[in-house]
Amino acid sequence: GQQVMQIPQYQHVQEGEDFTTYCNSSTTLSNIQWYKQRPGGHPVFLIQLVKSGEVKKQKRLTFQFGEAKKNSSLHITATQTTDVGTYFCAGKSGNQGGKLIFGQGTELSVKP
Amino acid sequence: NAGVMQNPRHLVRRRGQEARLRCSPMKGHSHVYWYRQLPEEGLKFMVYLQKENIIDESGMPKERFSAEFPKEGPSILRIQQVVRGDSAAYFCASSPMGTNTEAFFGQGTRLTVV
Repeated sequence: GQQVMQIPQYQHVQEGEDFTTYCNSSTTLSNIQWYKQRPGGHPVFLIQLVKSGEVKKQKRLTFQFGEAKKNSSLHITATQTTDVGTYFCAGKSGNQGGKLIFGQGTELSVKP
Repeated sequence: NAGVMQNPRHLVRRRGQEARLRCSPMKGHSHVYWYRQLPEEGLKFMVYLQKENIIDESGMPKERFSAEFPKEGPSILRIQQVVRGDSAAYFCASSPMGTNTEAFFGQGTRLTVV
């Protein structure tokens, strides 16, 4: 079945450093979504990418969808303590019905 | 417009009891998904429902687990004869048009089996 792998599992950075998490799917995705979950909280939608090679920005966050629509990345520039949390990618494969498969997540901690 | 409402937020059950988790989707949303999350792990897909229909239950254990989303009322995830390994956070999400749109998550139900 479809698998979505995400690396790294943990990332510890100093405030002001950049952060990147990578997501790879075993199958071609029709879309990819990114979510953020704060400690003790619930996942909150950040963005959806649909087109091959698509790049979207939200302030300090940059999201990319690979040309082959099998990988994606989230890059945060100049991290802040408010960025702390776990970032999940979630992909929907065209031949997997409607379910959204989540990666394992990357837990980001930011040292002030 | 209230968000996705899950209740209870915390549920403690003894081994062998039944657990019923409720999820009221956002108004206007007819698609509901249930996920299970173990501590420091990702979200494991369990089941995808649309009003009165189970679309995909490939992530549901074959025994003891069932889900429904009736025409009226909340979606229910039911776990019979709970075991310690069922202890986890169970999240419900809803969307208006399936997984081509963002999913809105509830606060989750933290189930503890003692």
